[in-house]
Amino acid sequence: GAVVSQHPSRVICKSGTSVKIECRSLDFQATTMFWYRQFPKQSLMLMATSNEGSKATYEQGVEKDKFLINHASLTLSTLTVTSAHPEDSSFYICSASWVAGEQYFGPGTRLTVT
Amino acid sequence: AQSVTQPDIHITVSEGASLELRCNYSYGATPYLFWYVQSPGQGLQLLLKYFSGDTLVQGIKGFEAEFKRSQSSFNLRKPSVHWSDAAEYFCAVASRYGNKLVFGAGTILRVKS
Repeated sequence: GAVVSQHPSRVICKSGTSVKIECRSLDFQATTMFWYRQFPKQSLMLMATSNEGSKATYEQGVEKDKFLINHASLTLSTLTVTSAHPEDSSFYICSASWVAGEQYFGPGTRLTVT
Repeated sequence: AQSVTQPDIHITVSEGASLELRCNYSYGATPYLFWYVQSPGQGLQLLLKYFSGDTLVQGIKGFEAEFKRSQSSFNLRKPSVHWSDAAEYFCAVASRYGNKLVFGAGTILRVKS
């Protein structure tokens, strides 16, 4: 149980374009979803927390207009990287939670901006 | 502010040897404690967690961890390492009143045959 999927697993886009990453909880309803960014050989950095039906809460230093998060249902959250630049290239990981303190992670999405 | 310290960036052990990965946290109260494992290019898999009760917790894949309040530590152990255990291991804490996880920097485990 507690399976989280992400799509796509890898994406390459051109600078200036936007890319959407989906995160789905497959066998449970997630009241809260989280988006993380992981730089090579580094730990996970929380970008934002989203609750179903409400606006995401962004961590300090994360541009909300650049990283658009939508949590339209209890099983789906999307992260859209708008006007992507090479410095946005990273590994993006989502997680989903229905119990305080427990998060289940997706397999990650490798974004490369050329 | 919460923080998690994993003092060892890399650890190399021989297959069949025992393993201990260190984790210390800084937090005003006892948080929820977690260990996750990440294989290259993959997401994180939960190995075990501590919420309350018995301070020695058992996890998947033969791992265990012991919560020591006096040392603010939550070290991960395995009595006999397998080559498939080679991965990166993250210790994390979460407030008992919130949902946010704070991760340590990670420890890369290499297993030599």
